[in-house]
Amino acid sequence: DVKVTQSSRYLVKRTGEKVFLECVQDMDHENMFWYRQDPGLGLRLIYFSYDVKMKEKGDIPEGYSVSREKKERFSLILESASTNQTSMYLCASIAAGIFDNQETQYFGPGTRLLVL
Amino acid sequence: GNSVTQMEGPVTLSEEAFLTINCTYTATGYPSLFWYVQYPGEGLQLLLKATKADDKGSNKGFEATYRKETTSFHLEKGSVQVSDSAVYFCALTPYSSASKIIFGSGTRLSIRP
Repeated sequence: DVKVTQSSRYLVKRTGEKVFLECVQDMDHENMFWYRQDPGLGLRLIYFSYDVKMKEKGDIPEGYSVSREKKERFSLILESASTNQTSMYLCASIAAGIFDNQETQYFGPGTRLLVL
Repeated sequence: GNSVTQMEGPVTLSEEAFLTINCTYTATGYPSLFWYVQYPGEGLQLLLKATKADDKGSNKGFEATYRKETTSFHLEKGSVQVSDSAVYFCALTPYSSASKIIFGSGTRLSIRP
């Protein structure tokens, strides 16, 4: 069974703090993703990575950065947290190369971040 | 561009009722279509998928048929249970690009005992 874990289920941070969200998958997947989920907006892609040290911007990368130093780990970084980054953050991974559209994404349980 | 539109919720039904959650899409080429489900406090998990026209995906009593002529992928279940209460997301991945999965806004389903 594929397992995607996220370091925290709930986080409370203050405006201006640097925030790290960690995601680990145990199935040797090449591709990993970070989304944020907001009511009425569904899931929006922040960044994805298709290999170690590789990253691509998604639809809403502003205010975020990522790090992929090891294949199994993909970190999302909020350089200076703001209240509009209060959200649910979901990590996902997928086995196939990015040119195969039939594979399933596997999601972590999510991190609910509150920025005060 | 590519997009997914699904019916707004919340949807509230009684146990054993028939369920339909509508989903339509816009895409070029031949996308794959998915339904994901998010149970309370959890991440998303795949419910079912269909990768070409006229395919029917099914799982846990849920079904959806890939209708290219109407660009739809409606989710149905004949008799819902309380345990089906969750948020349901319709999604597509465009042809030749698994990285660009596009989600609908989600439909919250609540089932009354």
